[in-house]
Amino acid sequence: SQKIEQNSEALNIQEGKTATLTCNYTNYSPAYLQWYRQDPGRGPVFLLLIRENEKEKRKERLKVTFDTTLKQSLFHITASQPADSATYLCALSMNRDDKIIFGKGTRLHILP
Amino acid sequence: GAVVSQHPSWVICKSGTSVKIECRSLDFQATTMFWYRQFPKQSLMLMATSNEGSKATYEQGVEKDKFLINHASLTLSTLTVTSAHPEDSSFYICSAKVSNYGYTFGSGTRLTVV
Repeated sequence: SQKIEQNSEALNIQEGKTATLTCNYTNYSPAYLQWYRQDPGRGPVFLLLIRENEKEKRKERLKVTFDTTLKQSLFHITASQPADSATYLCALSMNRDDKIIFGKGTRLHILP
Repeated sequence: GAVVSQHPSWVICKSGTSVKIECRSLDFQATTMFWYRQFPKQSLMLMATSNEGSKATYEQGVEKDKFLINHASLTLSTLTVTSAHPEDSSFYICSAKVSNYGYTFGSGTRLTVV
């Protein structure tokens, strides 16, 4: 069956350290993968997109990698801050019908 | 940037009544909008895809007669939950595609059916 799994339901990281979140998928062939941030009671906010032919993407303190052989994406936040505390969602798009499929998300807590 | 305005942000209704949720694209035209439902600590589950001027496409297991979607203009899509029951209580979110790869989301509607 098709699955998107994000490594842990919750992750606690000390302020200043790098937070690394994992997204694994099975039985999908995504054209691209996206990462979103969601705060409680709010809609997701787009962070980064990486295409199937790209290995790595960066934006300020954020970095995303995409390994289509391992069927895995890693999302890194460097020099983490308490304001980075939120739920981070991984989403796949197959490109054929514009639909995007979300993982359950990882709740990240940056501890001061 | 492209903004989708979603209203209301929360609503409480009695069991058996209908509730309408609106999503408007403020500074762009949204040919396609997506409607999601999210239960606590769960992922966003796609309910349906609405296309301007045509019938919505519903995901498997979503009752189209219960969740009525209208996309009559390029800037407005609505979701009506008909004959709502407590199990319909959830967080409903709309989304629009704004470029070849970018999507923008509404702020969500918390529906509570009592």
